[in-house]
Amino acid sequence: LAKTTQPISMDSYEGQEVNITCSHNNIATNDYITWYQQFPSQGPRFIIQGYKTKVTNEVASLFIPADRKSSTLSLPRVSLSDTAVYYCLVGARMDTGRRALTFGSGTRLQVQP
Amino acid sequence: KAGVTQTPRYLIKTRGQQVTLSCSPISGHRSVSWYQQTPGQGLQFLFEYFSETQRNKGNFPGRFSGRQFSNSRSEMNVSTLELGDSALYLCASSFLPLTGEDRETQYFGPGTRLLVL
Repeated sequence: LAKTTQPISMDSYEGQEVNITCSHNNIATNDYITWYQQFPSQGPRFIIQGYKTKVTNEVASLFIPADRKSSTLSLPRVSLSDTAVYYCLVGARMDTGRRALTFGSGTRLQVQP
Repeated sequence: KAGVTQTPRYLIKTRGQQVTLSCSPISGHRSVSWYQQTPGQGLQFLFEYFSETQRNKGNFPGRFSGRQFSNSRSEMNVSTLELGDSALYLCASSFLPLTGEDRETQYFGPGTRLLVL
């Protein structure tokens, strides 16, 4: 049972703003929302994390509506080096009954010159 | 501070063999999680260890096992290898156990690419 749903792929051009939306209808009250970036043959790298409303850092912004059933990662003025797979994470109940972070299928972003 | 290290980086095995992969977390981190990544299935959670105890387990067969040592280093073992076990195996560490409820960030290693022939 998928815990998060993201678009499989997105295309953009250099200098544009890119918004990637993730659906997490079963998010628990205390769950945080985390986004990771992964380049080929590398491990994922933390981008941003939030609980509600808006969070901004030097790399991206994260918008979370009041119902928290979705979130949007915003990448301002993308460059070719932003071509990567972006993963949205929330907590999920595991076999042990505990909640643990689990990755969704990811969104492959392709930035064109 | 050194990052997460994984050894070996590349490995070729044949069906039926077993393999052990190693992960050294960031100094001070006590949680180690393992993931399998394949083109078809994406990133899938295998298990998490914290203070030498398995805290969480994903939906993988019993051929996949792991352990964690007192220095937080972790090993993952796959027995009776199958062709479908060919994948990039990623290890991630964090200071506290992973739940969705806290702000823990996972730091990933470069992975071990396993090819089963």
